[in-house]
Amino acid sequence: SAVISQKPSRDICQRGTSLTIQCQVDSQVTMMFWYRQQPGQSLTLIATANQGSEATYESGFVIDKFPISRPNLTFSTLTVSNMSPEDSSIYLCSFSDGHGNQPQHFGDGTRLSIL
Amino acid sequence: RKEVEQDPGPFNVPEGATVAFNCTYSNSASQSFFWYRQDCRKEPKLLMSVYSSGNEDGRFTAQLNRASQYISLLIRDSKLSDSATYLCVVNRDNYQLIWGAGTKLIIKP
Repeated sequence: SAVISQKPSRDICQRGTSLTIQCQVDSQVTMMFWYRQQPGQSLTLIATANQGSEATYESGFVIDKFPISRPNLTFSTLTVSNMSPEDSSIYLCSFSDGHGNQPQHFGDGTRLSIL
Repeated sequence: RKEVEQDPGPFNVPEGATVAFNCTYSNSASQSFFWYRQDCRKEPKLLMSVYSSGNEDGRFTAQLNRASQYISLLIRDSKLSDSATYLCVVNRDNYQLIWGAGTKLIIKP
């Protein structure tokens, strides 16, 4: 299976600033996803990163707050904009090898703390 | 009702024992089912897919009951290293996965 890497692994940011998280896969993959995981909670899908078009956002998440890029089939970024303490969380990117009934594989995650 | 429901635990189990988790799902059209394992402060990792006929991987056995809309995970001869949170995952449509909140397992020596 492809290998996925995510960076930064952690960061501490000031309120009102923005942070861009990068996710790189070592081979072309069809689908890439961005999740958020609050402490003690399960994963919540933020959006599906579509190559060559705008990301598809889930209810409660908007492009202005979480702009996503996917310029090619191996790379995606998620920006957390105008951060507040409520954005403190783990952000995870994942990919699946194809459509349909495929499992997803995850990067190591980015642990984000907002002061 | 949540789309995927799990008993959060924690399950405290002595080493060597057998433990089983259930997970229920609400979407009768779901076709893909998975168990993931997540260690503390780590990313989720695929443990096994769950097939209609049931499947086994070493000490781990997964079962699917479509009529009752639940999947199960059985761990035999549990090891200390099995301590983790086990996430039940079900597909919503062609590519979206819905994640359960996880069941925490603690194996005690």
